[in-house]
Order: sequence, then C-alpha cells, then structure tokens
Amino acid sequence: NAGVTQTPKFQVLKTGQSMTLQCAQDMNHEYMSWYRQDPGMGLRLIHYSVGAGITDQGEVPNGYNVSRSTTEDFPLRLLSAAPSQTSVYFCASSYEGAWFFGPGTRLTVL
Amino acid sequence: DAKTTQPPSMDCAEGRAANLPCNHSTISGNEYVYWYRQIHSQGPQYIIHGLKNNETNEMASLIITEDRKSSTLILPHATLRDTAVYYCIAKNNNAGNMLTFGGGTRLMVKP
Repeated sequence: NAGVTQTPKFQVLKTGQSMTLQCAQDMNHEYMSWYRQDPGMGLRLIHYSVGAGITDQGEVPNGYNVSRSTTEDFPLRLLSAAPSQTSVYFCASSYEGAWFFGPGTRLTVL
Repeated sequence: DAKTTQPPSMDCAEGRAANLPCNHSTISGNEYVYWYRQIHSQGPQYIIHGLKNNETNEMASLIITEDRKSSTLILPHATLRDTAVYYCIAKNNNAGNMLTFGGGTRLMVKP
C-alpha cells in the first residue's frame, strides 16, 4: 500500500489564484481529513469526511472547499488564495480510530 | 475530547529509555489514549493507543495508570531519529471523532 499520498509537495501561488491540493489513500478508509500547520504551531482541522459524499467543517474552514466523490480521494480547494493561507497542509485517513497522515503539501501564497 | 497536559520539552540520552508523561485527569470511560509524533516537517505518525491496559508494539510501550488519569509513553532505547514532538490525545475510538492536537512534548535525543 502507498498509504496516504499528497500532491504537489510544494506550491507557490499569487494572491487571488485558486488551486486544488490532491489527497488519495489506498487503504479503503472511510474517514479522511485535512489539517493545516503554520510555522511553529500545532495542526488545525480544516475539513473532514466520514465517507463518500459526506463532508463537514472543522476548526478553520473559511477559504477552503472539499468534496468526496470516491472513498479514495479527498481534494482540498483553495478558492482565492491569500497570504494567510501560507502553511503546510496534511491529509489523513483513519481506521479504527488511528489516523495516518500524508507527507504534506507546503504552500506559499505571495 | 478530554484535555491532556504534557511537559513542553524533554531531553533523553541516546540509547536510554525515554519516558514521556501525559495527564488526562478528566478522561471519560470510553476515551482512549492515543500517542502520535511529528518528526520535523513530516506528517504526524501514529505510535500506539490504549484504553486501560498497558500496550506494547514495535515502536513503544504505553503505561496507563489504574485510575486512567495519566499515562506514560516509553521509547525503550531512544535513537537520534526519535527526536520529535510527541502528542498525547484522549478521544473515543470513533474515527468520526477528529484529532485535536495540543502543544505536545518536544523530545530531544542527544548523543
């Protein structure tokens, strides 16, 4: 199993641009989530999904959209990038309460 | 999720056991204790979890007190690669209950 994969690894955007961060898992996990981690800070939950077709907001959802059309994929869309969204983004999936994280996408918004 | 309290930082000599404490005095009966770690710039890594019995796997041991108000993660022979931030999280064993990360303990393993 590849586990949780994220693409791209690095991305630089200009203010106002939109983009989609990709996340995929091949473990058939029903639960998936997105976190962001600002420099020197802890992880904060953006959005999560408890199954295909079901998503919900986390602690910091503003400026982000998600969808879950398949069990495997959980993309995160930035609608109009802002410098405050400069962060490292982690995707995770869960089985029986234990969460498994991807390697992260490092996003810089200029 | 029950609130957890961890020391902000700890040092450990390479090859020695690292004992990381966690207080969770308000933990409820259906909440498990989970441990994760985050090595610099990587995604958090699941280590171990338990309800009330001590648990051991290839990475670590988890000792939970009888009253369940505190626990200790033990890395039996710490290596430099174990330098990381360690997070103790109390939550019920429902994957729909998302993780909430606190400050964790920054463990520095020194040669």
